[in-house]
Amino acid sequence: LAKTTQPISMDSYEGQEVNITCSHNNIATNDYITWYQQFPSQGPRFIIQGYKTKVTNEVASLFIPADRKSSTLSLPRVSLSDTAVYYCLVGDPGGGYQKVTFGTGTKLQVIP
Amino acid sequence: DAGVIQSPRHEVTEMGQEVTLRCKPISGHNSLFWYRQTMMRGLELLIYFNNNVPIDDSGMPEDRFSAKMPNASFSTLKIQPSEPRDSAVYFCASSLKGSRFGYTFGSGTRLTVV
Repeated sequence: LAKTTQPISMDSYEGQEVNITCSHNNIATNDYITWYQQFPSQGPRFIIQGYKTKVTNEVASLFIPADRKSSTLSLPRVSLSDTAVYYCLVGDPGGGYQKVTFGTGTKLQVIP
Repeated sequence: DAGVIQSPRHEVTEMGQEVTLRCKPISGHNSLFWYRQTMMRGLELLIYFNNNVPIDDSGMPEDRFSAKMPNASFSTLKIQPSEPRDSAVYFCASSLKGSRFGYTFGSGTRLTVV
């Protein structure tokens, strides 16, 4: 199982771009990288997924270098509502994401 | 789709009582997962099912915990007897094999055992 390592916490001011990096040194060939967001009293929510290079959607961008041993979630111009815990996961969609382990996540605090 | 539906949202029970948590996955999803979340241990995978069949229950903490999935649209997690250390938020999630959107989680059941 690919283990992930992320910073425990980060602070950012409103309006700034936030980059959260995740290390996954033993990622397997079929694994994709998925990021989730969790607000208090809610289940984690899918944000973005990628395999390599760059993926962008309406919420975030995901940057994955060629060796795929790390990834960076980029949140543009954060607001107070982006305060949450962000999890990086590595898993195989073809395997139904079975036996995927959540790490500690990164607690992002957005400051006014 | 209403998403993954869990019930109840909150459960308070006395130590020694039986507790049953329920989950309805997203229609068409073929994998179902039960997670437990606490401040100390974070999100822990308890058990997962593939096509209604339990695949790995190595995360179930003790024999007091059991899970079933009698059909594709329903699963239960039972704790009997419950203990105060079982107090946590229990999440159910489902996924579709091959999907590029990972898991979809329910809103969770907050269990308090007094």
